[in-house]
Amino acid sequence: GQQVMQIPQYQHVQEGEDFTTYCNSSTTLSNIQWYKQRPGGHPVFLIQLVKSGEVKKQKRLTFQFGEAKKNSSLHITATQTTDVGTYFCAGWGVYGQNFVFGPGTRLSVLP
Amino acid sequence: SAVISQKPSRDICQRGTSLTIQCQVDSQVTMMFWYRQQPGQSLTLIATANQGSEATYESGFVIDKFPISRPNLTFSTLTVSNMSPEDSSIYLCSVALAGERQPQHFGDGTRLSIL
Repeated sequence: GQQVMQIPQYQHVQEGEDFTTYCNSSTTLSNIQWYKQRPGGHPVFLIQLVKSGEVKKQKRLTFQFGEAKKNSSLHITATQTTDVGTYFCAGWGVYGQNFVFGPGTRLSVLP
Repeated sequence: SAVISQKPSRDICQRGTSLTIQCQVDSQVTMMFWYRQQPGQSLTLIATANQGSEATYESGFVIDKFPISRPNLTFSTLTVSNMSPEDSSIYLCSVALAGERQPQHFGDGTRLSIL
């Protein structure tokens, strides 16, 4: 079945440093979504990418969808303590596979 | 977005009992989903709750264990039946306002502990 992996599993950064998490799917995706979950909270939708090679920005966050639509990345510039949480990618397979969440990357930001 | 209310927010249950979790949305939505999230883990889709028909279950989840109701476009329930300690988890409902493959909005979840 479809598998979605994310690296790294954990990342500790000093406030102000950049952060990147990578998402890789075993199958081609029709779209990819990114969610953020704060400790004790529920996942909150951040963005959806649909097109091959698509790049979207939200303030300090930059999201990319790979040309083959099998991988994606989230980059945060100059992290802040409010960025703390777990970042999940999730995607629908092109060929009707399930909607699968990646295992997430847990970000800690040290002030 | 939508306001999604889940009840109860948490519960502690005895082994062998069943618990029904409710999910209420403040607008009509076609797509409603139920997830399980074990502590420190990712989300696993249990099923899609279909209005007017049986839920669509993902591999590894069966109706006898997780019966789902969807009587209308704003409400759904998930029952966790004959609970064991392995069922201790957070259960979340979500809705996709714009269609099946569109972004999902989650309720606050139900934290379930089985003794």
